[in-house]
Amino acid sequence: AQSVTQPDIHITVSEGASLELRCNYSYGATPYLFWYVQSPGQGLQLLLKYFSGDTLVQGIKGFEAEFKRSQSSFNLRKPSVHWSDAAEYFCAVGDDGGFKTIFGAGTRLFVKA
Amino acid sequence: NAGVTQTPKFQVLKTGQSMTLQCAQDMNHNSMYWYRQDPGMGLRLIYYSASEGTTDKGEVPNGYNVSRLNKREFSLRLESAAPSQTSVYFCASSDRGNEKLFFGSGTQLSVL
Repeated sequence: AQSVTQPDIHITVSEGASLELRCNYSYGATPYLFWYVQSPGQGLQLLLKYFSGDTLVQGIKGFEAEFKRSQSSFNLRKPSVHWSDAAEYFCAVGDDGGFKTIFGAGTRLFVKA
Repeated sequence: NAGVTQTPKFQVLKTGQSMTLQCAQDMNHNSMYWYRQDPGMGLRLIYYSASEGTTDKGEVPNGYNVSRLNKREFSLRLESAAPSQTSVYFCASSDRGNEKLFFGSGTQLSVL
């Protein structure tokens, strides 16, 4: 069955420190992989996506993610976190040309001054 | 830029009451979706409409019905609300399948 696991329910980092949010997926075929961000009281916004090609993908707001097929992982990174990055982050997986996107449970990021 | 608009933003129902959540998008997208978000469970797909005139079940369709009124509008109906349907509901739209979803700001529903 398709699934997405985000092992960390919440993470706290200091402003200016680097960030890595973990994501592991289970999927039978080549997956479409996504990271979405949700600010409090808002809907989700797409940060980046991977469909094929270069396994290191760049997204908005200075985020990047690396697809590692051997580890079934798609971890999100940012070199230097800003206070405005505090939000909930969702990893998701979908199929090529499909309509069903499976979301992980989310990781809430706290940023301390 | 309105994007995806959901109404209402908040709603409190009693068990057994019915209601319809409304969603409209102004991006001329073909596909629309209804998700529910519960703590610790992420978002789960209730129903989706791949294109105008079609609807399909998602992961958790029981207790819900949908109508794709036209290309812009996709409504979600709870015929007899239950406490288990207390959740935050999100409508989303996309131009080409799951390639990129655009979300509304959500409806917080409480069923007492």
